[in-house]
Amino acid sequence: AQTVTQSQPEMSVQEAETVTLSCTYDTSESDYYLFWYKQPPSRQMILVIRQEAYKQQNATENRFSVNFQKAAKSFSLKISDSQLGDAAMYFCAYYYNAGNMLTFGGGTRLMVKP
Amino acid sequence: GAVVSQHPSWVICKSGTSVKIECRSLDFQATTMFWYRQFPKQSLMLMATSNEGSKATYEQGVEKDKFLINHASLTLSTLTVTSAHPEDSSFYICSARVLLSYEQYFGPGTRLTVT
Repeated sequence: AQTVTQSQPEMSVQEAETVTLSCTYDTSESDYYLFWYKQPPSRQMILVIRQEAYKQQNATENRFSVNFQKAAKSFSLKISDSQLGDAAMYFCAYYYNAGNMLTFGGGTRLMVKP
Repeated sequence: GAVVSQHPSWVICKSGTSVKIECRSLDFQATTMFWYRQFPKQSLMLMATSNEGSKATYEQGVEKDKFLINHASLTLSTLTVTSAHPEDSSFYICSARVLLSYEQYFGPGTRLTVT
């Protein structure tokens, strides 16, 4: 069974600094997708970034980038120039076609200090 | 684009009554919709997957007779919590998947409080 593990229940970062959130996953599939979702206090799930496993290049979206290590089954999220609005729960998620569902990690609560 | 709405956003009901939550894809057709439950400070737990025009597939441990799911059209899925009890109080989130895509789009969630 596919599992997603986020080993950091809470993280904090100073405003304007950089923070990295960790995620590891377990799968026997070779073709899959990985996501980072943000859930602010409003609880609306917001897609931050996605990575297709077949792509070697790490995905980037403005201040957000990932370090995708396929062999190590690791998918970390780096947030640069952290802003107060980045404070939220962050969930790592995994999807593969035959599974037809997203598997979420336990989440990391990110606090941003002014 | 790709907006999913949920209604109501917050509902309070008395123990023993039933409550229906609607999930709509506003600007796309969703052949598959998903229902999640989220307890405070926890992750999303998949309850069931529904495909338009067919019966929902429930995850292990989810009571199908308590949580009735109907996916009657390509833009609407409903979750009915029957004979609600205080332990059913939770945050319920739906998501919808675009045809032939792996992308899922999430609704804003519904907070259910059973008194």
